Amino acid sequence: KQEVTQIPAALSVPEGENLVLNCSFTDSAIYNLQWFRQDPGKGLTSLLLIQSSQREQTSGRLNASLDKSSGRSTLYIAASQPGDSATYLCAVSNSNSGYALNFGKGTSLLVTP
Amino acid sequence: DAGITQSPRHKVTETGTPVTLRCHQTENHRYMYWYRQDPGHGLRLIHYSYGVKDTDKGEVSDGYSVSRSKTEDFLLTLESATSSQTSVYFCAIAASGGAREQFFGPGTRLTVL
Repeated sequence: KQEVTQIPAALSVPEGENLVLNCSFTDSAIYNLQWFRQDPGKGLTSLLLIQSSQREQTSGRLNASLDKSSGRSTLYIAASQPGDSATYLCAVSNSNSGYALNFGKGTSLLVTP
Repeated sequence: DAGITQSPRHKVTETGTPVTLRCHQTENHRYMYWYRQDPGHGLRLIHYSYGVKDTDKGEVSDGYSVSRSKTEDFLLTLESATSSQTSVYFCAIAASGGAREQFFGPGTRLTVL
């Protein structure tokens, strides 16, 4: 069974800092990996998707990397802003279960002004 | 935003009553999923569908059934609701082939008293 772990569980940083969120998974036979953002009481917004053959993806101030062989991904946020405060979720899919996602429990990020 | 709606958005019901949640998409995507989100557990897969009338169980399917009679609609039914089914329920969709990126609906908050 695929297990996804996110470290740290919570993080507080001052505005302007660069930060890294970590995700690890136990089964390297993934189809893809997605990073999501979730604001309190809201749904999930897809931030970045990395297919199994890719090493990284970038969108604006966000960069996600994937090392499939070691079962690790990182989400790098540059020049953090208070508006980045949210919970960030990492999820991986395998080809079984209809490519459903297995989620980590998330990293709760607070960016203080 | 992906065209996914969920109804109702909030529901309070009593133990033992049947409940049906609806997910509706306008993207004509083949895959649809139901997840539940609970503190301490993260998001977990309940059921998924890979086409009209084609469904299968996920990790936490006990007490739930699903139906998909049209591409655009995926129904989740709690035959006899229990307090342990109090949760936030999310529907997601994904295209077949390619990156298979999943997009999530806004969620339904269900309280079983």
